[in-house]
Order: sequence, then C-alpha cells, then structure tokens
Amino acid sequence: DIQMTQSPSSLSASVGDTVTITCQASQDISVNLNWFQQKPGKAPKLLVYHASNLETGVPSRFSGGGSGTDFSLTISSLQPEDIATYYCQQYENLPPVTFGGGTKLELK
Amino acid sequence: QVQLVESGGALVKPGGSLRLSCEASGLTFRAYFMTWIRQAPGQGLEWVAYISSSGTTMYYADSVRGRFTISRDNDKSSLFLQMNSLRVDDTAVYYCARDIGTTGNFDLWGQGTLVTVSP
Repeated sequence: DIQMTQSPSSLSASVGDTVTITCQASQDISVNLNWFQQKPGKAPKLLVYHASNLETGVPSRFSGGGSGTDFSLTISSLQPEDIATYYCQQYENLPPVTFGGGTKLELK
Repeated sequence: QVQLVESGGALVKPGGSLRLSCEASGLTFRAYFMTWIRQAPGQGLEWVAYISSSGTTMYYADSVRGRFTISRDNDKSSLFLQMNSLRVDDTAVYYCARDIGTTGNFDLWGQGTLVTVSP
C-alpha cells in the first residue's frame, strides 16, 4: 500500500499569513493526489484534485502543487474560516485509497 | 439539491451487526462508483469499501474484508454497508462518498453516521 506522510501534524498561524502543508508519498503517484478540508463535526470537503486543480467554488488563495512523491497545499492570506484539518489522499493505486494523517491548522 | 444522507449508525456490542444506508438525491446515482470512508474519534480518514456503478465490483480495506459487505440498489438510489462481527476498533463516523470518476476522486460526501461498538 502507498503510505502518505503529511507535515506538519499541526500548525499555528495568523490571519493574513501564507501557510504551506506538505504531503509525501511512499512511491511515485504522478499527480494522482487530492486535498481535503475538514471542519469540526463536518464531512471532508474536496479542495484540490489532480494535485493542482481547484475544485469549483474554492477560493483562489488555495493552491496545490507537486508531482511524483512530493506535494504541497498553500493557503495565501489565511482567513479565519480556513481553520480546519487538511488531508491529502492518493488515488494512484487503488485499492486501497490512502489518506495522509492530517494537518490541524489553528489560529495564533 | 445534490446530497447524500447516511443513516443506521447506533451503539452495538462487540460481535454484533449493523447495516448502514446512504440515500442519494439530486444525482444520477447509478452512474457513479461509491465508497464508504470512516473516521475514528479524533483520528484521520480511513477508506473502508468501494463499489462500481453497476454493483458488480467491490473492494475492501484489509481491516474489514470478510466482515463488511458493500452493496447498492440503483433503483432506490441507495448504498449500503453491512457490518458483521463488529469490533471496538470499528467505532467511527462512517461517511458515504461519490467518486466523480472511477479513480478515487471523492467530490460529494454525506454528513456521516456514528457507529459505536462498546461492551
């Protein structure tokens, strides 16, 4: 199975900051990676698909990048509503689909 | 309104069984692969099972294979998860989700239903 390693596991930032979360795959997954945002008590929401494509309705301050084994999700000009836990997910080789362990983003 | 609504979560004892349902509305359900994903309390996301649009192909996580069965009724726009031989570590919120393709891209999720397995 492909393992997904996210870092950091938690992150504290201020409104207006630029924040970057990284995700590393245990093997080459091309660009077969998604990013999800999950707020407390809610279902995950797809933010970025195919590594760098923004889902419809997602603010342009979110951007995804990377290929192969190394990926990133960047939030520019952090807003209070961006406080959530973020997960990466690979779909290069399923089954199984695998998720990263999550990055909890908090306000400083 | 396009949505998925799960139901069937409950408190059950170890070794017991439970059947979860996911009702779809506002979408052509029979066109999509569907999946179940779970989240243990305070933990991350774990894929559980996956079913093709026709219902003829199913995949399972190693942790549930042989105990859980995914199925669907396209005429009723419904997805199911039959869970047998439940264990304490099956305790989680269970989400159903739509795959926008056939490749593990989950663009629509339900609100989740809580399964608690406890003596």
